[in-house]
Amino acid sequence: QSVLTQPPSVSAAPGQKVTISCSGSSSNIGNNYVSWYQQLPGTAPKLLIYENNKRPSGIPDRFSGSKSGTSATLGITGLQTGDEADYYCGTWDSSLSAQFGGGTKLTVL
Amino acid sequence: QVQLVQSGAEVKKPGASVKVSCKASGYTFTSYGISWVRQAPGQGLEWMGWISAYNGNTNYAQKLQGRVTMTTDTSTSTAYMELRSLRSDDTAVYYCARMLSPAKGYAFDIWGQGTMVTVSS
Repeated sequence: QSVLTQPPSVSAAPGQKVTISCSGSSSNIGNNYVSWYQQLPGTAPKLLIYENNKRPSGIPDRFSGSKSGTSATLGITGLQTGDEADYYCGTWDSSLSAQFGGGTKLTVL
Repeated sequence: QVQLVQSGAEVKKPGASVKVSCKASGYTFTSYGISWVRQAPGQGLEWMGWISAYNGNTNYAQKLQGRVTMTTDTSTSTAYMELRSLRSDDTAVYYCARMLSPAKGYAFDIWGQGTMVTVSS
């Protein structure tokens, strides 16, 4: 059972927009930065968003992040079939232990 | 380029130990922490702990306390994760990941390719 709550799955058509939510508490998301990771099938996770809303070099601006209170959201616009993957949110708690969401499987219909 | 390269797959019997290595290149090893994350088949990501490559300080996930040890060898820019008293539910892909600074939320920006550890009698 993950400390951070994500929907198990989301889906949308190519070219559309999708959002993935991540719900936590004041002991984790509420007082720490959130990051987001994309895991394509059979590969290691890849950092998409850090510091709630910043993109590493090379990540297209189709990917965006936001945080409000104890929840965070990943947005993906202009969906492509190559975006089909599992997406995880992550943060830390006050004891400097990392927490991950349970993951959301994105299907591009 | 910046990369983390992990050791190869392992098959162990219940009760045994496994030690996975993670060799860093392309950056100053002691400037970043390393976390270990595992993923059981078909499951999500589970954080195991982290080690400061600067001073060797560690912080382990509570559920693994007493069974896991993380170390570094700064002379070879390599991090190690040893897990003891292996059980079948330790079967997973084990990843090492570089941690960004506290100012960047300790996000994991570089990941190793993963090491499959299978625990089976």
